Amino acid sequence: DVKVTQSSRYLVKRTGEKVFLECVQDMDHENMFWYRQDPGLGLRLIYFSYDVKMKEKGDIPEGYSVSREKKERFSLILESASTNQTSMYLCASRSGQYYEQYFGPGTRLTVT
Amino acid sequence: GESVGLHLPTLSVQEGDNSIINCAYSNSASDYFIWYKQESGKGPQFIIDIRSNMDKRQGQRVTVLLNKTVKHLSLQIAATQPGDSAVYFCAENYGGATNKLIFGTGTLLAVQP
Repeated sequence: DVKVTQSSRYLVKRTGEKVFLECVQDMDHENMFWYRQDPGLGLRLIYFSYDVKMKEKGDIPEGYSVSREKKERFSLILESASTNQTSMYLCASRSGQYYEQYFGPGTRLTVT
Repeated sequence: GESVGLHLPTLSVQEGDNSIINCAYSNSASDYFIWYKQESGKGPQFIIDIRSNMDKRQGQRVTVLLNKTVKHLSLQIAATQPGDSAVYFCAENYGGATNKLIFGTGTLLAVQP
């Protein structure tokens, strides 16, 4: 089974802090994704990566950056956390051959 | 607690009944569709998929129907069980170079014992 893990299930940070969310997948997938999920808005794509050191902006990249130094690991960075970034953050991965994405358990981030 | 289910349309069914969850998709050029299940406190879980060259696909207790004429997708769950209670949402693959998935907002399925 594909396993996607995220470093924290719950995180509480203060406004202005730098926040790192880590995601690791164990299936040698080329593509990795970061989404945020908010009530009534569904999943919105923040950034994705199709290869090591490659990244593409998604639909809502403002206030976020990403890093992919190794194939199995994709990090989401909030340079200066703000209260409107309080959300559920979901990481996903997929192979280059198939379309289905496999999700991690999510990190619920609260910025106070 | 988790708030994924807030503000969502809700389908309430009796245990043992069949459930039908609907989804309207936006892009007539989408070539692939997925249904996901998300239980409270968990990430979305793949249920079943269908390609645009098919009208129907069956899995274990689940069936997906695709109507390309009206851009409509449905998920049928047979003999619904309490463990089926979750948020269900569809996703369409826009195709092109990025092959991004576009997700619907979801339907909360509540199974009454």
